[in-house]
Amino acid sequence: KAGVTQTPRYLIKTRGQQVTLSCSPISGHRSVSWYQQTPGQGLQFLFEYFSETQRNKGNFPGRFSGRQFSNSRSEMNVSTLELGDSALYLCASSLVSGGRGEQYFGPGTRLTVT
Amino acid sequence: AQSVTQPDIHITVSEGASLELRCNYSYGATPYLFWYVQSPGQGLQLLLKYFSGDTLVQGIKGFEAEFKRSQSSFNLRKPSVHWSDAAEYFCAVLVSPGYSTLTFGKGTMLLVSP
Repeated sequence: KAGVTQTPRYLIKTRGQQVTLSCSPISGHRSVSWYQQTPGQGLQFLFEYFSETQRNKGNFPGRFSGRQFSNSRSEMNVSTLELGDSALYLCASSLVSGGRGEQYFGPGTRLTVT
Repeated sequence: AQSVTQPDIHITVSEGASLELRCNYSYGATPYLFWYVQSPGQGLQLLLKYFSGDTLVQGIKGFEAEFKRSQSSFNLRKPSVHWSDAAEYFCAVLVSPGYSTLTFGKGTMLLVSP
């Protein structure tokens, strides 16, 4: 079974631009979560989607948004990029939402904002 | 709010020596605890998890962890470290059993010396 895939793997954008990142979960998984990883802040939760509904949201500004499609694929969008948005963005999928749903992480998208 | 503390930023261990990585959590109820490993440029891989029951849990790659409620700890151990274990290790706690949201520690970078 294919793992979690994220596209693109690397991205360079300029301040003020917007960006869309994509995550394809493992086949059959309905929950997708997004995390931002930076050297200073570590791994921080962005949002979780389950069956096309946002179930939980982290403490990020409204510039960060996401959505999930009927095939469980998810996208996250960051508008008006800032230098501080440079990070590794990881998505994780699980069969179900909640504690017993083991989460599988993708390789991440490395976003650099210049 | 839930929090996870990994007191050691870096640890260096000789190949073949034993390893213990520390993790302390703050959580009101019985926690769902995880250890993940991240190799350079990669996503996170789940090593093991604790939900309930036996406080000593076995994971992949020869790792184990012990849950100690009295000390609010979930330390990761391996009896004999291999050079391929060099990576960053993250302890995490589930925010709530109803969600897939994880709160991560800052990570411990493991270096393995010959």
